Amino acid sequence: GAVVSQHPSRVICKSGTSVKIECRSLDFQATTMFWYRQFPKQSLMLMATSNEGSKATYEQGVEKDKFLINHASLTLSTLTVTSAHPEDSSFYICSARGQGALLDTQYFGPGTRLTVL
Amino acid sequence: GESVGLHLPTLSVQEGDNSIINCAYSNSASDYFIWYKQESGKGPQFIIDIRSNMDKRQGQRVTVLLNKTVKHLSLQIAATQPGDSAVYFCAEGENQGGKLIFGQGTELSVKP
Repeated sequence: GAVVSQHPSRVICKSGTSVKIECRSLDFQATTMFWYRQFPKQSLMLMATSNEGSKATYEQGVEKDKFLINHASLTLSTLTVTSAHPEDSSFYICSARGQGALLDTQYFGPGTRLTVL
Repeated sequence: GESVGLHLPTLSVQEGDNSIINCAYSNSASDYFIWYKQESGKGPQFIIDIRSNMDKRQGQRVTVLLNKTVKHLSLQIAATQPGDSAVYFCAEGENQGGKLIFGQGTELSVKP
């Protein structure tokens, strides 16, 4: 139980285009999802916290108009990188927190590798 | 963002030896701590957690020690195996299930 998936696993796009990444909780309902970014050989950096049905809370220094987050259902959150540039190339990881017995911890997805040419 | 690391420290151990990975945390208000294992190209995998009202917790081959006085956390892996090779991150939070702040990570390399 408590499986989180991400799609796509890898994406390559041209500079200036937008890319959408999906995060799904497969066997539980996630009231809260978190989005992280990770550069090579570095730690995970929290970008935003997403609560179902409400606006995401962004961490300091993260542009909300560039990284659009939608948490439209209890099993799906999406991150859209708008007008992507090479410096946005990174590993994007989501995590989900469940309800009830699954409330206690975050379950991580496998990550999405974004490369912007 | 917070807690962005620069370069990963590395730890190299012989197969069968015990490994100790250390982490210093920054927020005195943190009361929940987790260790994650991350293999190359994958998401973090939960290893073990501990709350601030404890100073030690044991799992299968792993032990986490918490020293709140000096804000220090450690992960001990007994009889380290090649499959343990990965990057290990500590994370702190002010409550279970809430926002987590990750430490810089340590790359563990196990020599056969």
